[in-house]
Amino acid sequence: EVVMTQSPVTLSVSPGERATLSCRASESISVNLAWYQHKPGQTPRLLIYDASTRATGVPARFSGSGSGTEFTLTINSLQSEDVAVYYCQQYYNWLIFGGGTKVEI
Amino acid sequence: QVQLQQSGPGLVKPSQILSLTCDISGDSVSSNSGAWSWIRQSPSRGLEWLARTYYRSEWHNDYALSLRGRIIITPDTTRNQVSLQLNSVTPEDTAVYYCAGGSGAFNIWGQGTMVTVSS
Repeated sequence: EVVMTQSPVTLSVSPGERATLSCRASESISVNLAWYQHKPGQTPRLLIYDASTRATGVPARFSGSGSGTEFTLTINSLQSEDVAVYYCQQYYNWLIFGGGTKVEI
Repeated sequence: QVQLQQSGPGLVKPSQILSLTCDISGDSVSSNSGAWSWIRQSPSRGLEWLARTYYRSEWHNDYALSLRGRIIITPDTTRNQVSLQLNSVTPEDTAVYYCAGGSGAFNIWGQGTMVTVSS
């Protein structure tokens, strides 16, 4: 089973700064990776799929990159509404989520 | 516009059965391009995919390895819904349960059901 490891566990960023979140797969998953934003009390929201394609309605400050085993979610010019837990998820081999990164201001 | 509406009890006793239902509108449970999953979220485990069902000329059901033997996902074409049954629950199964649509990434989510396992 593919293991997904996210780092850091918690990321503190000042408003307007850039946040860089990492996700590593234990084996190659091509570009079969998605990123989600999960705010307390809300439903998870798909941000990125196929490693770098923004989902409908997602602001351009969110971008994804990577392939194989190393992936990055970048949030440019962080806003207060971006405070959330971010999860990566691979769909190359079964469906596995990473442990999440909590982004705080 | 696809929407998912979940229903089911919020409290289940230990050793009993957890049952949840997800009504699908705007799409068909037997769509040849769709897939329907159950996912849960807890503070200790984060998001955890549980099970998936999809139709590609025949029905396919997949389950998380950790729950295999204790979990059943069932599509209902008459009611256009997907059900989850989790047997022999323990307090470790306390979580928010979501149904979700998507064949790889999950682009549609139900509203979530908080299920507490307690006597």
